[in-house]
Amino acid sequence: GENVEQHPSTLSVQEGDSAVIKCTYSDSASNYFPWYKQELGKGPQLIIDIRSNVGEKKDQRIAVTLNKTAKHFSLHITETQPEDSAVYFCAASRNTGNQFYFGTGTSLTVIP
Amino acid sequence: KAGVTQTPRYLIKTRGQQVTLSCSPISGHRSVSWYQQTPGQGLQFLFEYFSETQRNKGNFPGRFSGRQFSNSRSEMNVSTLELGDSALYLCASSGLAGGPRVETQYFGPGTRLLVL
Repeated sequence: GENVEQHPSTLSVQEGDSAVIKCTYSDSASNYFPWYKQELGKGPQLIIDIRSNVGEKKDQRIAVTLNKTAKHFSLHITETQPEDSAVYFCAASRNTGNQFYFGTGTSLTVIP
Repeated sequence: KAGVTQTPRYLIKTRGQQVTLSCSPISGHRSVSWYQQTPGQGLQFLFEYFSETQRNKGNFPGRFSGRQFSNSRSEMNVSTLELGDSALYLCASSGLAGGPRVETQYFGPGTRLLVL
């Protein structure tokens, strides 16, 4: 099955700086890569996603890049704010039902 | 549109008991997936239901089961609870799951189960 690795496990940045979280996947058939943000006591919330026919996608301060050849994708958050502090999860899936494979999460702390 | 709702939000059970958790998907969504989240194992896929049929299943023992009703609401059941079943159980719904594309999953707030 698919194996998704995520780094780093913890990340602290100063407010206004950028944060980058990286994930690798093992199954070359995976073609959908969402990113979720989970705040304490809540379920994961989708923040951005990318499909394998696209190399980069941006939504305001958040961007995701995908390198299919190397089988890795990254989340970039610019101009970080304290409210960006949360745990972020990457995931991978393929066209065989809705089974998502998740990374182990990155706890992001934005220091005011 | 209302989001995914899960009930109850918190549960305390003892070993050997059974538990039933409920999930109501986003209106119009026909696929419901269940995940177990623990600090040690992270987010792990349990199973997915589409049109009242289990379509995918993760690597969990048979004590974990589920079902989906005609209105797409889903329940999961855990029998003979063990201490290791303590976790946050998350439900996610997605739409148009009958097509060739993987569809985005939207998560509920989860049910936190504590087994004593």
